[in-house]
Amino acid sequence: SQQGEEDPQALSIQEGENATMNCSYKTSINNLQWYRQNSGRGLVHLILIRSNEREKHSGRLRVTLDTSKKSSSLLITASRAADTASYFCATDASSKIIFGSGTRLSIRP
Amino acid sequence: DAGVIQSPRHEVTEMGQEVTLRCKPISGHDYLFWYRQTMMRGLELLIYFNNNVPIDDSGMPEDRFSAKMPNASFSTLKIQPSEPRDSAVYFCASSTRPFTDTQYFGPGTRLTVL
Repeated sequence: SQQGEEDPQALSIQEGENATMNCSYKTSINNLQWYRQNSGRGLVHLILIRSNEREKHSGRLRVTLDTSKKSSSLLITASRAADTASYFCATDASSKIIFGSGTRLSIRP
Repeated sequence: DAGVIQSPRHEVTEMGQEVTLRCKPISGHDYLFWYRQTMMRGLELLIYFNNNVPIDDSGMPEDRFSAKMPNASFSTLKIQPSEPRDSAVYFCASSTRPFTDTQYFGPGTRLTVL
């Protein structure tokens, strides 16, 4: 079974709105990362949050981590058409990095 | 730096043929990873290397799959013989540390086995 599971699987919002994606995982982690994948491309690293951190910001991105609930959220504020992509969380567990199944985000003009 | 380079970008082959995918990691990165992505199984780690040495190949699906890293700037993933269920996008990634640092992904090779 997947270590990380994103929710929702798909999200469609209007340009300018905020998008929130969630990731739940099963075992203890040292860090959690979020990646973006545009159609037909490789994954691009967005942000890394360590287990002793609760919140991290990078531009229009805000990531939270709740280790007691084993969950993380990625918030993209003021969405743009270029944000249309799939977003994956990745956790380190059992000496591996395991990716979730991803959230497909579509931004409507 | 040009980033992680993979070739070919697309490969179409017939069942039973040998397929070789190639990867050039970012210079200075000691870790290299091979992933496979499919709709059904998502992104799976197949194998990773540290300083050219395979560390964990538990994700390699079958003996038909093999990977090598003869030097710090080149790795191959070979499938022999290929089967239709091997059709997927194969990504190579590199990093300076295995799981606590950013992984830089290549553009991927889309493999279709007919």
